[in-house]
Parts: sequence; structure tokens; C-alpha cells
Amino acid sequence: GAVVSQHPSWVICKSGTSVKIECRSLDFQATTMFWYRQFPKQSLMLMATSNEGSKATYEQGVEKDKFLINHASLTLSTLTVTSAHPEDSSFYICSAPRAGAMYEQYFGPGTRLTVT
Amino acid sequence: AQTVTQSQPEMSVQEAETVTLSCTYDTSESDYYLFWYKQPPSRQMILVIRQEAYKQQNATENRFSVNFQKAAKSFSLKISDSQLGDAAMYFCAYLIQGAQKLVFGQGTRLTINP
Repeated sequence: GAVVSQHPSWVICKSGTSVKIECRSLDFQATTMFWYRQFPKQSLMLMATSNEGSKATYEQGVEKDKFLINHASLTLSTLTVTSAHPEDSSFYICSAPRAGAMYEQYFGPGTRLTVT
Repeated sequence: AQTVTQSQPEMSVQEAETVTLSCTYDTSESDYYLFWYKQPPSRQMILVIRQEAYKQQNATENRFSVNFQKAAKSFSLKISDSQLGDAAMYFCAYLIQGAQKLVFGQGTRLTINP
């Protein structure tokens, strides 16, 4: 099956700094990728849709200036948490559907962010 | 707006027995996809089964099957011959085709008792 990777798998950063999380589709092209946030024992909350070659689309209530998304190529999307604060600590997951088959979505393994 | 509801926060079953997880959804669309995803302790999301709304036949994947009731907007997952490796969080999800986004239910934590 298709593989989506995320890097890093775990990151600790100090309050006020920025951290970048990468999401890569390893064996297929993805014109769209999705970023989710998951709090402990809760469901996945969609944050934004990353579109290759255009601006990301953010869900209501998500601060686009805090969570910067860049879809640099057909296999790479990055999420940058700017000026991170402890409340940004969470588990971030990306998913990538195959181009032309949006019902086939493949999830990355997730990134655990801890802001101290 | 489309919503997905899982009313069972936790379920438990004896190993080798059968368990059914419930899911209801709300939509005004006639054509859509529904999914069950499994999230084990590793937190990697794994697709368990997919159902296309236009198909009347319930989807099955080995020990996993669904009971899709389109008129009732119900989509339950049945796990037969439960195994210890089935222990996980299970999420029901709806695909918004136009926006190509997944809407997830709250999840059901499944425990398998040996």
C-alpha cells in the first residue's frame, strides 16, 4: 500500500520558538494533503487542507498565522507551528489521498509536539 | 454540515467473540463514502473498511463487516472472532466529496479481554 511519512516523529521545543513538521507521500503524488490535530483520548480534528501550488485552506477557528502550511511539491507538505506555546502541544497527523482517488487516504504516523 | 456520532466511548469483548460498534451520521448528500479506521496504541491510523453509499451490499473485509443502513444513516462495524490485536480506538468517518475532507466521529475504545 501507499506510504506517507512524517518527520520528526517527536519534537520538544521551547515556548516562543517555531517548529516545522514534514509530511511526505513516498510512492505516489498528492496534490492535496490534510493536517489534523489530535488531543489525548480525542478524535482527529481537521486543521487545514494543503494544496500544491496554492494557498492552504484553514478550518474555522484555526489560526493561519500560527500554523503555516506550505505544499512545496507533489510529495511534500510542511506545517510550521510559529511562536509555539504549551497549549500547542499535541499530536499532529497528516493524510494524503491519491490524486484522482480521494476516497483512498493514507495517514502519516503522526508527530508528537511538546512545547515547554 | 455533515456530522458523525459514535455513542459508545468504550466497549469491551471477550477474545474470540463478536462485537458491534455503532456509528450514525447526518448528511443531505446522496452519494458519499463511509469508513472505519483503527488507531492502535502506536497511533498510526489504519483503514479497516470502506463503504460506498451507492452500493447496497454491505462491505466485508475478513473478520470485519459493516451494517450500512442508508435510510437510517447508520453504519455499524461488526468484528467477529475478536483478537487481542483488535484492541484499539476505532473511528467512524465520512468523506465530504466536494471538499474531499474526512469528518471523524468521537471514537470508540475497544478492549479485548483474554
